[in-house]
Amino acid sequence: EVQLVESGGGLVQPGESLRLSCAASGFTFISYSMNWVRQAPGKGLEWISYISSSRSTIYYAESVRGRFTISRDNAKNSLYLQMNSLRAEDTAVYYCVMIRGVAVYWGQGTLVTVSS
Amino acid sequence: EIVLTQSPGTLSLSPGERATLSCRASQSVSSSYLAWYQHKPGQAPRLLIYGASSRATGIPDRFSGSGSGTDFTLTISRLEPEDFGVYYCQQYGSSPCSFGQGTKLEIK
Repeated sequence: EVQLVESGGGLVQPGESLRLSCAASGFTFISYSMNWVRQAPGKGLEWISYISSSRSTIYYAESVRGRFTISRDNAKNSLYLQMNSLRAEDTAVYYCVMIRGVAVYWGQGTLVTVSS
Repeated sequence: EIVLTQSPGTLSLSPGERATLSCRASQSVSSSYLAWYQHKPGQAPRLLIYGASSRATGIPDRFSGSGSGTDFTLTISRLEPEDFGVYYCQQYGSSPCSFGQGTKLEIK
């Protein structure tokens, strides 16, 4: 069974940093690209970053480019999101998402709150 | 990047009625890699439909998806009280994946 478990969320002040993790199991992690998606309070779903299985291709949404860095450790079956220079508008639940063929898998999400 | 536009923005219906939600893509969605989600506050998005027309595990058969290319539809044949919420479409045939802005399905 595919499992994606996010962690690392919390309350931080504007300008601070946070690192999210996503532990993957139940599939061959090294074979699949991964995504981070977020949902801010009262807002829609927003894709924010993508990393290919080999790390050779990385994309970011305009809203986070230059501040967030996606990475993965295929030996640890883990996906990461380093978030720097956090802003109030980054407050959201962050999900890791895996797409395998026509199937889509989501974690349960981790809440990031940016507030002074 | 493929832009998805959902309509209507809000749909007000009564239990027992039929709901039809639309998702239109700015470019053809590769191999019908289109999903529909139901989202309720405080919960992770619930996958309803993947591959444009395949129901996810445990999803009642009153939910159905159809379409190809740039036009997709989610139909709920007979609304139940628990069906109200916000519905999103997602394309994942082209990287990066993208989401529609959502349709709010509310009780009339």
